Amino acid sequence: NAGVTQTPKFQVLKTGQSMTLQCAQDMNHEYMSWYRQDPGMGLRLIHYSVGAGITDQGEVPNGYNVSRSTTEDFPLRLLSAAPSQTSVYFCASSSPGGDNSPLHFGNGTRLTVT
Amino acid sequence: AQSVTQLGSHVSVSEGALVLLRCNYSSSVPPYLFWYVQYPNQGLQLLLKYTSAATLVKGINGFEAEFKKSETSFHLTKPSAHMSDAAEYFCAVSESNTGKLIFGQGTTLQVKP
Repeated sequence: NAGVTQTPKFQVLKTGQSMTLQCAQDMNHEYMSWYRQDPGMGLRLIHYSVGAGITDQGEVPNGYNVSRSTTEDFPLRLLSAAPSQTSVYFCASSSPGGDNSPLHFGNGTRLTVT
Repeated sequence: AQSVTQLGSHVSVSEGALVLLRCNYSSSVPPYLFWYVQYPNQGLQLLLKYTSAATLVKGINGFEAEFKKSETSFHLTKPSAHMSDAAEYFCAVSESNTGKLIFGQGTTLQVKP
């Protein structure tokens, strides 16, 4: 069972470069989201999607872009990397179950911007 | 607006001692509440969730949490700590079932032999 798969695991960028963090899930979950984790701040929501073609901003969306063309994939794009975007990024998915289904997390992408 | 406060960024207990990790939340509607655990260099794993069916929620690895509406709390406990419990723990709240969670700052649990 693959679950939520994030690639790459590690990435180093120079300021101003762009890149895409990949996220794929094989559980047919409708909901997908991106969080960033910084020391002492927990996880903060960047963008989320409730289905293919539908996305919305979270708590810290600036500098990031998303799209959701398929149910399985939810890539996160950094348009022009900045040192403040050095963080660990987690993708998560869930289904709109009646029992309040929990998030399933990927193992994260550790990004360093120099 | 929703918020979550975890009291104590670091908690240290001896092996076999009681574990108590505190979480207080703020929500204008009946909340969905979660506890997640994160082991080093891994993603988050669900420990337990509050679904309003019962105020005392039992999770994996012997953990449980009690929802107290009057105190707006959802503290995590385990009667006897094990070395393998050393990890970071996150409390989270959601007003809806859309995958939008608000996380607390996290509490690192250290277990001493």
